[in-house]
Amino acid sequence: DTGVSQDPRHKITKRGQNVTFRCDPISEHNRLYWYRQTLGQGPEFLTYFQNEAQLEKSRLLSDRFSAERPKGSFSTLEIQRTEQGDSAMYLCASSLRSGGNTEAFFGQGTRLTVV
Amino acid sequence: AQSVTQLGSHVSVSEGALVLLRCNYSSSVPPYLFWYVQYPNQGLQLLLKYTSAATLVKGINGFEAEFKKSETSFHLTKPSAHMSDAAEYFCAVTKNTGNQFYFGTGTSLTVIP
Repeated sequence: DTGVSQDPRHKITKRGQNVTFRCDPISEHNRLYWYRQTLGQGPEFLTYFQNEAQLEKSRLLSDRFSAERPKGSFSTLEIQRTEQGDSAMYLCASSLRSGGNTEAFFGQGTRLTVV
Repeated sequence: AQSVTQLGSHVSVSEGALVLLRCNYSSSVPPYLFWYVQYPNQGLQLLLKYTSAATLVKGINGFEAEFKKSETSFHLTKPSAHMSDAAEYFCAVTKNTGNQFYFGTGTSLTVIP
């Protein structure tokens, strides 16, 4: 068990560019979540996958954002035409099974800075 | 709707003093409640979780939390603060399905030597 891994840890991009982040969950975890965290705030839910199916998306996830989990393993989060307001920490988490009593394990996050 | 409120965005305690971080939840059904800790530029680490088995929950690093339904609270405590406890603490709630976690705005804990 190597934990949830996110790549890159830091990304600086110019406004208008596209960026893609990768998340490798703990192996055999069938649930994968993406959260966004801005300075001084708690994480905000973006989307989650049950295996390869994207089952829920937040209204925060505008049409410039897309997430995939093609084989039910790793996931990618792409932001197109980045804006300065997209600057945040993007956190990925995974959990083994469904049910509210199951904790999520978080990665160290990808910090995005849009200049 | 599920939500949590953390009272006090910043808490300072002396080393060795009691730590009390407050969390109140709003839920129409019995919730599942969690406390996570976040160190600078790191992800979130689970401290403890309440899943209705016992109202007093013990977690890692000497932390514990008590679920009080009458007060809709799940406050986090530690009898004696250590310098290494300085971090951001988040209370979170989830629904039965566990589809998403709803986080509070966090409490930054400072430990004064």
